[in-house]
Amino acid sequence: DGGITQSPKYLFRKEGQNVTLSCEQNLNHDAMYWYRQDPGQGLRLIYYSQIVNDFQKGDIAEGYSVSREKKESFPLTVTSAQKNPTAFYLCASSARQGPNYEQYFGPGTRLTVT
Amino acid sequence: AQSVAQPEDQVNVAEGNPLTVKCTYSVSGNPYLFWYVQYPNRGLQFLLKYITGDNLVKGSYGFEAEFNKSQTSFHLKKPSALVSDSALYFCAVRGFDRGSTLGRLYFGRGTQLTVWP
Repeated sequence: DGGITQSPKYLFRKEGQNVTLSCEQNLNHDAMYWYRQDPGQGLRLIYYSQIVNDFQKGDIAEGYSVSREKKESFPLTVTSAQKNPTAFYLCASSARQGPNYEQYFGPGTRLTVT
Repeated sequence: AQSVAQPEDQVNVAEGNPLTVKCTYSVSGNPYLFWYVQYPNRGLQFLLKYITGDNLVKGSYGFEAEFNKSQTSFHLKKPSALVSDSALYFCAVRGFDRGSTLGRLYFGRGTQLTVWP
């Protein structure tokens, strides 16, 4: 799982509550990403960021928000507007450009909302 | 538009036999292609990539992948499968969203590989 940490590993919340998932990396990567994984659907990109104070919506950004105040950190907030938040969430980081573009993934956070 | 297809949801192979996990892609320009593996309840681990050069790319744990430009394919292979290779495998291609200067990966849906003893 490289130099990326996600906490906590398991998270339980009641419906209607916002929840923030942590992602920290010590790989000195400029770019960071958030994915959602559901069974049989592969990985879907939520948000990504190429530099501090900049981020872009991915394919399924509705109901989520992010911030990028530090290079090492890219927290994801799952808001009450997200209709089906129960999923496995993966954070990744990579170099911004050049041939070493492979993304390195954290261990993931499994969120259950009831 | 960029996309990746993994036509098989599941691949089953006996230990010691060769394995192939298929991937086809669609992308504008030269493709940057990747394979990742995921074990249960874990993050993805990078296996190998094709950027340019030899069509046969060697990666971690004895895996290799063959890039075929005419067939737009990037199949993952291993000459002799191990039970411990059983996992979920993802193919990905690098592309760009409209207006973005940061490339991103487009993933296939994944192929579950099961190697039985």
